[in-house]
Amino acid sequence: AQSVSQHNHHVILSEAASLELGCNYSYGGTVNLFWYVQYPGQHLQLLLKYFSGDPLVKGIKGFEAEFIKSKFSFNLRKPSVQWSDTAEYFCAVTGSGGYQKVTFGTGTKLQVIP
Amino acid sequence: GAVVSQHPSRVICKSGTSVKIECRSLDFQATTMFWYRQFPKQSLMLMATSNEGSKATYEQGVEKDKFLINHASLTLSTLTVTSAHPEDSSFYICSARDSQGAPEQFFGPGTRLTVL
Repeated sequence: AQSVSQHNHHVILSEAASLELGCNYSYGGTVNLFWYVQYPGQHLQLLLKYFSGDPLVKGIKGFEAEFIKSKFSFNLRKPSVQWSDTAEYFCAVTGSGGYQKVTFGTGTKLQVIP
Repeated sequence: GAVVSQHPSRVICKSGTSVKIECRSLDFQATTMFWYRQFPKQSLMLMATSNEGSKATYEQGVEKDKFLINHASLTLSTLTVTSAHPEDSSFYICSARDSQGAPEQFFGPGTRLTVL
């Protein structure tokens, strides 16, 4: 069975600080990896995704994530956060090929202080 | 971009009544839609996978007779919470995969169900 773990449940940063949110997954095969963001009062939006190719993936709003296969990790990074990045971030994994279900991590709540 | 809508966005009902939630893919066809439940301060829990023209696949522990899913067309899936009880109060979110596109899911805005 596939699983996703996010190590940080609640992160508080000052504006301009750098961000790294951890994500590790467990899956016995080729994976597709995603980071979703949920801003307060809004629905889930895709930040970035990895299917294959370059393991360093760039997403919207200056976010990037690196797939490290040997570590089963897909950490999310941003060099300088803004107050508007305050949201909940979910890492997700699905097996590649076919209509396989997506498994979400428990989420990390990011609070950016102005 | 791909848009998924849900209706209603918020519903309050009495215990024992049934509530239907609609999920629509507005600008793409989705042979597969997913229904999730999100408890406060927790992640999304997949309830079932809805397949157009066939029976839904339910996750372990989800009562199929309580959460009825119908995927009658390529753009519409419905979730009916039957004989709702206060413990069914939650945030229900659907997602859809574009039949022609990449294996990513597009999420609806969610439906807040409150059972009194």
